[in-house]
Amino acid sequence: GAGVSQSPRYKVAKRGQDVALRCDPISGHVSLFWYQQALGQGPEFLTYFQNEAQLDKSGLPSDRFFAERPEGSVSTLKIQRTQQEDSAVYLCASSRGQGVKNIQYFGAGTRLSVL
Amino acid sequence: QKEVEQNSGPLSVPEGAIASLNCTYSDRVSQSFFWYRQYSGKSPELIMSIYSNGDKEDGRFTAQLNKASQYVSLLIRDSQPSDSATYLCAPNSGGGADGLTFGKGTHLIIQP
Repeated sequence: GAGVSQSPRYKVAKRGQDVALRCDPISGHVSLFWYQQALGQGPEFLTYFQNEAQLDKSGLPSDRFFAERPEGSVSTLKIQRTQQEDSAVYLCASSRGQGVKNIQYFGAGTRLSVL
Repeated sequence: QKEVEQNSGPLSVPEGAIASLNCTYSDRVSQSFFWYRQYSGKSPELIMSIYSNGDKEDGRFTAQLNKASQYVSLLIRDSQPSDSATYLCAPNSGGGADGLTFGKGTHLIIQP
């Protein structure tokens, strides 16, 4: 595709509900990242995939957060039993290869509001 | 713990002047540095990357890097109202993860 696509753009969940956020990276991009951005803050790293392998999940805040990329393309970030502190914008980024010089391109994000 | 420090602002600059944005980072092994611009309610977009000490110029933008001082800056010449946004600094130390550590961002306002 032309860019990184995320859906839904907005999600309202009741506390305790499970949510699933989808990311469709730029076609052919090997690396995929998830970030969480709270209001007034910079994005914070959650997890990283190289193809279908999840190489780093050190940023996931709790075991309620789970991400997968089973075929090395589309990725889903799942949050179980949502809490109010999970309210944030969830950004997905992809890059062509790997390594510190690779440029990450961001999607528009999913704004999650937990009531 | 990797830390990236930016003055949150707002930084107010008259139209046509030079805007200077600063960033310091704690991780000495950082190898690449990215400046992203983020308009309110939008996603970050890359405007500059720099990997070596010194200056890198691209149009009205100049990135400056000093690894010894762990300092990176972004200069915007001939500032335009459309430059009003939050600017995020992101060093990358790699180590296999490649995830970026962002600063909180500097909110820049260009006054017409």
